[in-house]
Amino acid sequence: EPEVTQTPSHQVTQMGQEVILRCVPISNHLYFYWYRQILGQKVEFLVSFYNNEISEKSEIFDDQFSVERPDGSNFTLKIRSTKLEDSAMYFCASTLSIYEQYFGPGTRLTVT
Amino acid sequence: DAKTTQPPSMDCAEGRAANLPCNHSTISGNEYVYWYRQIHSQGPQYIIHGLKNNETNEMASLIITEDRKSSTLILPHATLRDTAVYYCIVRVTPYAGNMLTFGGGTRLMVKP
Repeated sequence: EPEVTQTPSHQVTQMGQEVILRCVPISNHLYFYWYRQILGQKVEFLVSFYNNEISEKSEIFDDQFSVERPDGSNFTLKIRSTKLEDSAMYFCASTLSIYEQYFGPGTRLTVT
Repeated sequence: DAKTTQPPSMDCAEGRAANLPCNHSTISGNEYVYWYRQIHSQGPQYIIHGLKNNETNEMASLIITEDRKSSTLILPHATLRDTAVYYCIVRVTPYAGNMLTFGGGTRLMVKP
């Protein structure tokens, strides 16, 4: 069964460094999303992406964040200058039907 | 999106039906009810959604009251692998960028 994959599974970075989190959505899906979950807290929406542009973004998704679909398969989330509070699990999701979203296993980002 | 209220935790015996309630008394006519679950910090997993009719799939059944102010997710024969946090989400008619707003959910513990 097709699934969303994410790499790396765990990323450790120093405060102020740039990180890129990578996702490979399900191949025929058209809508892509990033969410994050700080340890012990709720899953929070960051951004949605459709037709090569951002559809919607939350207040969390400020100028430090960007998304890109550099080719036909990858979907990336870049954090330009990481802060301690960016430490979280980051989940990528994709969908074809705009009803159910299929989530990846997540990347644990630790900022030290 | 309408606010949802779920009990923070529930227990269920293995092999028995798990009935997870959700209150969404402020739901409006164009809002769907979705259920997702998250198994131990994995990515959330779509279970089922509905508008006003009861729905069933291979994972679960969704019962929506006639006034649509509440719903119940039924796992007919719960297994230990169903131990997870279950999220009831009310969401407007989907569009391309339509995000999911996760609350605290119900932590279901299936016991042997």
